[in-house]
Amino acid sequence: AQKITQTQPGMFVQEKEAVTLDCTYDTSDQSYGLFWYKQPSSGEMIFLIYQGSYDEQNATEGRYSLNFQKARKSANLVISASQLGDSAMYFCAMREGRVLFSGGYNKLIFGAGTRLAVHP
Amino acid sequence: EPEVTQTPSHQVTQMGQEVILRCVPISNHLYFYWYRQILGQKVEFLVSFYNNEISEKSEIFDDQFSVERPDGSNFTLKIRSTKLEDSAMYFCASRAGTGDEQYFGPGTRLTVT
Repeated sequence: AQKITQTQPGMFVQEKEAVTLDCTYDTSDQSYGLFWYKQPSSGEMIFLIYQGSYDEQNATEGRYSLNFQKARKSANLVISASQLGDSAMYFCAMREGRVLFSGGYNKLIFGAGTRLAVHP
Repeated sequence: EPEVTQTPSHQVTQMGQEVILRCVPISNHLYFYWYRQILGQKVEFLVSFYNNEISEKSEIFDDQFSVERPDGSNFTLKIRSTKLEDSAMYFCASRAGTGDEQYFGPGTRLTVT
């Protein structure tokens, strides 16, 4: 079964508009973490934002915010005021289970990604 | 700002050859990971490493793969006898002792011919 589902293979948005990239997840753990990464055409993976399952407030980092709806198991990324440089692939990822100091069980499980194109 | 670095950025090798991919994690981080991404596909976990030993590995990480932290800074992934299907982008990531965020390096694109 898919753990992380990104249903939008591609999205486009007009420059300066806001865009929401969808992510739903599946876990039976009470403790987990949700991540968004950006992958430009150059290939690197850039960490954008993190939300812990026990965090009461939605995470925000500059123009990025994470719309966390725990009951619906969704963790959508909202990019406000899109810029041309935001054109990239965006991956949602999840870390299941309690963060163990032994290092185990901290792997990230990734979704298939959404390709965002920002048009001028 | 500290960052994870990886060398080489691109490696071309022939099938059956051994390759070593190198990573320098962020200096005060304690947990290290390798992931791979076959072209056009999702990123997949390979292995996690802590306290000089593997803490978890995926089914992809078979006997052809090994990891090592030979000194205080480098973290390497070795593929003993490469196959065509090993062609992928390989990412190293590291995590601090506190906090959940994993920071990725720029990746090594491995091409097996």
